[in-house]
Amino acid sequence: KQEVTQIPAALSVPEGENLVLNCSFTDSAIYNLQWFRQDPGKGLTSLLLIQSSQREQTSGRLNASLDKSSGRSTLYIAASQPGDSATYLCAVPVVGFQKLVFGTGTRLLVSP
Amino acid sequence: DVKVTQSSRYLVKRTGEKVFLECVQDMDHENMFWYRQDPGLGLRLIYFSYDVKMKEKGDIPEGYSVSREKKERFSLILESASTNQTSMYLCASSDAGGAWYGYTFGSGTRLTVV
Repeated sequence: KQEVTQIPAALSVPEGENLVLNCSFTDSAIYNLQWFRQDPGKGLTSLLLIQSSQREQTSGRLNASLDKSSGRSTLYIAASQPGDSATYLCAVPVVGFQKLVFGTGTRLLVSP
Repeated sequence: DVKVTQSSRYLVKRTGEKVFLECVQDMDHENMFWYRQDPGLGLRLIYFSYDVKMKEKGDIPEGYSVSREKKERFSLILESASTNQTSMYLCASSDAGGAWYGYTFGSGTRLTVV
């Protein structure tokens, strides 16, 4: 059974810092891995999708990497801003089924 | 961009009422999903559908049913709402298997049952 864990559970940083969020999964047979952002009381916004054949994906100040063999993904946020404050979730689809397995989430607070 | 639209942001219903949550996607996706999200429990899959009139139970289907009469619309039904169904409900869609383009979520419906 696929299990997805995120570390740290919460993170508080001053504006401008570069930071790394971690995601670990137990079953390396994945199609892809997706990072989401969730603002309080809102839905999930897709940030990055990494296919199993890729090593990384970039979008603006965000960079996500994937190491299937070690069961890890990282989300790197450069030059953090207060607007980056949110909960970040990683998720992988269950092979052979249609559902996503979500990580436990990292709650990020960026202070001005 | 794919858009997944949930018809209500906030709903307040009484215990015992029949409740309909509606979700529409505009990119011809085969798959649609309903999740609920609760503090400390994360996101849990209620039901999903991989085609019109097809449905599969997720992890917590008890107390819910679904309807998919058209490809773009997926409805979640609470047959007799109870207070333990107070939650955030999230709809999502994906192409077949979600393998290439990922999943897209709606903005959520916060349901309160009193």
